[in-house]
Amino acid sequence: DIQMTQSPSSLSASVGDRVTITCRASQNIGRYLNWYQQKPGKAPKVLIYATSTLQTGVPSRFSGSGSGTDFTLTISSLQPEDFATYSCQQTYTSLYTFGPGTRVDI
Amino acid sequence: QVQLVQSGAEVRKPGASVKVSCKTSGYTFKSYDINWVRQATGQGLEWMGWMNPNGGNTGYAQKFQGRVTMTRDTSTSTAYMELSSLRPEDTAVYYCARVGYDSVWFDDFWGQGTLVTVSS
Repeated sequence: DIQMTQSPSSLSASVGDRVTITCRASQNIGRYLNWYQQKPGKAPKVLIYATSTLQTGVPSRFSGSGSGTDFTLTISSLQPEDFATYSCQQTYTSLYTFGPGTRVDI
Repeated sequence: QVQLVQSGAEVRKPGASVKVSCKTSGYTFKSYDINWVRQATGQGLEWMGWMNPNGGNTGYAQKFQGRVTMTRDTSTSTAYMELSSLRPEDTAVYYCARVGYDSVWFDDFWGQGTLVTVSS
């Protein structure tokens, strides 16, 4: 199976900060990389798919980049509603895997 | 609107089995795969496997091979995930998700989650 890692595992930030989260795959996954946001007690929600395509309704302060094995999620100006856990997911193979998540808090 | 509604919380003893349902509506059930994902308290998301509602084909993560079975009832647009030989470390919230496609596959709609507690 393809292994996914994320860094950092957690970070503290303030409203208005620029935040960057990194995701790395154990092998080349092209652009088959998705990002999810999850708030406590809620189901995950897809933010970005195919590395850089914003899901409908997702604010433009979120962006994604990368290819191959290294990927980045950026929040350009952190808002109060963005404090959550962010997870990457590869769907390059039929056996999908998630990264361990990055918790963003105040 | 697309909805996935899961069955309620379950408590099982070690060694037992549990079957979680995921009733879908608002789209053509057979046209989208269903993923199952679990999350232990304070832990990350763990992908368990997928099921194709059209033919019933499945694919399971190696960790769950031999213990998990994913099925469906097309007459009610419902997907099922059964996990057997339960152990305390299977205590988690289990989610179903519809697999969308737009150049890549991704989980575009999710159920609300089902808490399964395994305890003697």
